[in-house]
This record gives sequence, structure tokens and C-alpha cells, in this order.
Amino acid sequence: DAGVIQSPRHEVTEMGQEVTLRCKPISGHNSLFWYRQTMMRGLELLIYFNNNVPIDDSGMPEDRFSAKMPNASFSTLKIQPSEPRDSAVYFCASRTLAGPYYNEQFFGPGTRLTVL
Amino acid sequence: AQTVTQSQPEMSVQEAETVTLSCTYDTSENNYYLFWYKQPPSRQMILVIRQEAYKQQNATENRFSVNFQKAAKSFSLKISDSQLGDTAMYFCAFTKWGNKLVFGAGTILRVKS
Repeated sequence: DAGVIQSPRHEVTEMGQEVTLRCKPISGHNSLFWYRQTMMRGLELLIYFNNNVPIDDSGMPEDRFSAKMPNASFSTLKIQPSEPRDSAVYFCASRTLAGPYYNEQFFGPGTRLTVL
Repeated sequence: AQTVTQSQPEMSVQEAETVTLSCTYDTSENNYYLFWYKQPPSRQMILVIRQEAYKQQNATENRFSVNFQKAAKSFSLKISDSQLGDTAMYFCAFTKWGNKLVFGAGTILRVKS
């Protein structure tokens, strides 16, 4: 299995630009999570989906952030417009609630976002 | 709301020795799951070990074991025969069934040769 795939791995952009982060979960997993990691705030959950439906988006910092999951194999996290304080590592994780690895979250390699 | 506390920001250990990382949590739930994740400098999040709250037996995975004290709401990680590759940030995490993970602040572990 290829694991959780995220793209791009690194993104450098200027303030005010739109940024789109992408995630492909592990095949067969039915939950997908977006996290943000910073030195100041640690690991924070932004939003998660069960069966492509957003369940908890209370961690989304403001309206500039949006996430979609149009099908079971793809999700995007969009920031528009981006700001320097959005600089962080963004992780995507997926999970199944069945089988020997039930309830374990498998993480992608992360996207390091730098907003200048 | 559940909270997870890791009281040791940094720790160091000599190669081949044993080290214990502490974690406490607060919840009113009876059934839940606890995890330790490792984040090496590559920043990849790697699951080290898991524990189901309904199981009394402490989980073990090779050199990694936990001391799960449900009444005390404590979940420590013991690393035996420490290796240089164990150098990483370690996160304790809590979840209920089908719910989100709540992470502690992390402990930086440095293994010295």
C-alpha cells in the first residue's frame, strides 16, 4: 500500500495568494483528517470527514480555510487568501474503523507551507 | 473535553539504556484508545504503540511498552535498549471510538552515543 499521499511536499507562496493542498487517503479508509502543526500551537485538528462528509470543522481557523472531499480517494484544503501566520506543516491522515488497524490514524508526509 | 498532558518537554538517554516518557489525560469516558506517535526529524508521524482502555494488559511492541494506569489516567511509554534512531518527538494521543485524536504537546527525546 502506498500510504497516505500528500502534495505538494513544500509550498512557498506570497501573502494573498490562494494555496491548495491535496491528499489521497489509503484505499478502503473511510475517515480523513487534516491537521496543522506549528511550534506555538503543536498539532491541531482542522477538520475531519467520515464517508466524505465533514463531521467536525471546529478547528478551521477562519473563513479563509475550506476543505472538500468530493470522493473517497481525494481531499483538498484550500487557503484563500493566505497569510504569513498560516505558515506551518499540514498533515493529512486517514483511518478505517474495521480490520486489524481499526481506529488507527495513518499520516501522510505533510506539506510544509511558507507564506511570505 | 478531553485533554492530554505531557509534562516532559525534553529528555535525553544514553544509547542502550531505558527511558520512560510520561503522559496523563483527562476524560469522563470509560471506553477509549491511547496511542504513542513518533515524529523523527523527517517529520513523518509514525504510530509506535496503541492501548485499548478495556484491556488490562499493557501493550508491548518489541522494545516499546506502556504502563497504562486507567484509574490514575496515566499512560507512560518505556523504551528499552534505546537506539540512536529513537531520537524524535514523541506524542501521546487520546481518542474515543470513531472520533478525532487529541494530542499532547510532545516530548523531545535525544538518544546520545
